[in-house]
Parts: sequence; C-alpha cells; structure tokens
Amino acid sequence: DAKTTQPNSMESNEEEPVHLPCNHSTISGTDYIHWYRQLPSQGPEYVIHGLTSNVNNRMASLAIAEDRKSSTLILHRATLRDAAVYYCILRGNTGGFKTIFGAGTRLFVKA
Amino acid sequence: DTEVTQTPKHLVMGMTNKKSLKCEQHMGHRAMYWYKQKAKKPPELMFVYSYEKLSINESVPSRFSPECPNSSLLNLHLHALQPEDSALYLCASSRGRTDNQPQHFGDGTRLSIL
Repeated sequence: DAKTTQPNSMESNEEEPVHLPCNHSTISGTDYIHWYRQLPSQGPEYVIHGLTSNVNNRMASLAIAEDRKSSTLILHRATLRDAAVYYCILRGNTGGFKTIFGAGTRLFVKA
Repeated sequence: DTEVTQTPKHLVMGMTNKKSLKCEQHMGHRAMYWYKQKAKKPPELMFVYSYEKLSINESVPSRFSPECPNSSLLNLHLHALQPEDSALYLCASSRGRTDNQPQHFGDGTRLSIL
C-alpha cells in the first residue's frame, strides 16, 4: 500500500491560513489523494480529494504537486473549530481501494 | 449531525457477554465499513461490505462477526471479547467501494470490556 508522511503536529493562529503538508512519494498513477479530519469525540469527516489538479470546496483547498509526490491541504482562515487531527490518505486500485489512515497531523489553533 | 447513525453510543460488557453494534444510513450507499480506533491512534479498517456482501476482512478475530442484513444496515456482533478490544468502533458508508467517493462516518460506539 502506498504510504503517506505528515508532521505530527502543527500550530496556527486563529483567522490565519494553514498549510498542512503530506508526502506520498510512492503514489501510483491511479491513486486519489483524500483528506479527512477528526474533531474530538467525533468520527472522521471528509474534507476534500483530488487526483492531479488542484481542488477547492467550501471547507478547504487541495494543492497537488506536479509530480504528485506531495500535496498540501489549505485552510484559508483557521478557526478554533478547525482544531482536529488531519489525515492524508491515498486510495486507489493498487491498494484495493482500502482507506488506510496514517498517524495524521494534530492541528492546534490559538485564539 | 452525522448521516450515519451508530447505536449504542457507549457500551460496557463483560468478557462472556454477547452484544451487537448497529449502524444505519439512508443515503443509498452500497458500501459500508467497520473501523476500530484505539485512543490517540488512527482508525484501523476491519471489514468492508459491498452490495451487502463481505468484500474485505482485515484478518479480524472471529469474536467479531459482521452482518449486513440490507443495504441500509450494518451490524457488528461481539462475543467473548478481551479487554484489549476496548476501543471506539466506527461505521462508515460510501456510494460504492471502488469509486473514490467520500466515506461518511458515524460518531462511533465507545466499547469498554470489563
């Protein structure tokens, strides 16, 4: 299974942008990059996903490197409610379409 | 509020008990999943159902027995569990197993084994 590498934790100030990096150097051509987040005492929540092009939705933006070996989740204005563990996951045919969670990045947001 | 409903929210059981966890979704999804999550660890995939048939079993001990009675319901039957099975059990669903559409998660059942 293709693996992802994320920093253990990051800190941000409220109302500032946050860039959460993910490395996936063994990604295959058919693997999609998915991001989920898990708030305290809740199940994981889908954030965004993409294949090659950058993607935007109401929650965040996903910037994918041209060689697809890394990606960055961008929260445009962090709020206290964005404090969570963020998971970058590869999902595709080579991994049997399993959603395998890595350790994730714990995001702390300061008021 | 989540669109995947799990009951009960909390469960305490002895090692000799038999209990079941339930999961329900009404989004028309045809793939359903069970995950186990220990404290401060990421979720671990246990089972995947696709069109009510077991598609993936991640070498889970037989004391966990999944069941998918119809496309909206997913059960996890528990018997003779061990203390190390205490964890948060998460259910998820998605439109299909292989279409790369998002998974929707419930908030889990927190299970404690005495």
